[in-house]
Amino acid sequence: EPEVTQTPSHQVTQMGQEVILRCVPISNHLYFYWYRQILGQKVEFLVSFYNNEISEKSEIFDDQFSVERPDGSNFTLKIRSTKLEDSAMYFCASSSDRGPTGELFFGEGSRLTVL
Amino acid sequence: GENVEQHPSTLSVQEGDSAVIKCTYSDSASNYFPWYKQELGKRPQLIIDIRSNVGEKKDQRIAVTLNKTAKHFSLHITETQPEDSAVYFCAAPVYGNKLVFGAGTILRVKS
Repeated sequence: EPEVTQTPSHQVTQMGQEVILRCVPISNHLYFYWYRQILGQKVEFLVSFYNNEISEKSEIFDDQFSVERPDGSNFTLKIRSTKLEDSAMYFCASSSDRGPTGELFFGEGSRLTVL
Repeated sequence: GENVEQHPSTLSVQEGDSAVIKCTYSDSASNYFPWYKQELGKRPQLIIDIRSNVGEKKDQRIAVTLNKTAKHFSLHITETQPEDSAVYFCAAPVYGNKLVFGAGTILRVKS
């Protein structure tokens, strides 16, 4: 069964460093998302991406964040200068032609720890 | 606002009993209401969803009901088993291309 894959599974970084989280969505999916989950809290929407551009972003997704689909398969989330409060599990998700009104398939997540 | 409110935050039931989790949403245009289950340290996984053209949907021990007038929907789990213990999240699409999740309900099934 196809699934969303994410790398790395865990990254530890120093405050102020840049981090890139990588995702390979399911191959025939058209909508891509990043969510984050601070330990013990809810799953928070960051950004949605469709047709090679951001279609929606939350207040959390400020100028420090960016997304890219550089080669037609990978979907990346970059945090330019990490802060302590960026420590969280970051989930990539993808969905088919129904977008957010269809099932979102989540990756296993990338745990980011900012020291 | 863009809220999806979920209650209760924790729920403990005896094995075999039923569990009900409720959510309300704010965007009257929302037309899709999924429920996700997240086991400890794992990814959220869809367990059931409902669209706005129906009022109820069942899948074995799990059912979801929708009241569009009141803008709330509920997850019902019957004959609960220990493996149902997890965090459950409701969600709804809000103002376009974002699926917003509720705060989650920790369900504990005691055997």
